[in-house]
Amino acid sequence: KQEVTQIPAALSVPEGENLVLNCSFTDSAIYNLQWFRQDPGKGLTSLLLIQSSQREQTSGRLNASLDKSSGRSTLYIAASQPGDSATYLCAVKGPSNTGKLIFGQGTTLQVKP
Amino acid sequence: EPEVTQTPSHQVTQMGQEVILRCVPISNHLYFYWYRQILGQKVEFLVSFYNNEISEKSEIFDDQFSVERPDGSNFTLKIRSTKLEDSAMYFCASMPWGSYNEQFFGPGTRLTVL
Repeated sequence: KQEVTQIPAALSVPEGENLVLNCSFTDSAIYNLQWFRQDPGKGLTSLLLIQSSQREQTSGRLNASLDKSSGRSTLYIAASQPGDSATYLCAVKGPSNTGKLIFGQGTTLQVKP
Repeated sequence: EPEVTQTPSHQVTQMGQEVILRCVPISNHLYFYWYRQILGQKVEFLVSFYNNEISEKSEIFDDQFSVERPDGSNFTLKIRSTKLEDSAMYFCASMPWGSYNEQFFGPGTRLTVL
């Protein structure tokens, strides 16, 4: 059974710092991996999607990497801003392309001005 | 940009009552999903739906739950007799056919069972 774990559970950094959020999964037979942002009481905003054949994806200040064989993904946020404060969720899909997403519990990020 | 919409945004109901949560997926998407998130917990998969039938369901999705695509645009989740533990945020998602296979999520419906 696939399990997704995110470390740390919470993170507080001063504005401007670069930071890394970690996601690990137990079964490497995934189809893809998505990173989401969730603001308190709100929905899920997709940030990046990495296919199982890819190593990384970039969008603006965000860079996500995937090491499928070791069951790990990282989300790198450059030059953090207070507006980045939110919970970041990692979710894996697999092995089929139409299957469900399995989510981690999230990392709650606070960026202090 | 097309988006998934959900109504209502917040629903309050009494235990034992039936509720219907509504979703309008992105037009031309073929795969539909319901997830839920109990406060402070992980987002959990409930059910997936394709070609007018359930593709997969979790152990949470028992006989109290049902899904329907009644008119080709709406996708509904019905809970027949709500329990206190059904209180959660319910998210609908849809996905197009194709190699990219990204799921697009709606803003959610917060269900409160009293």
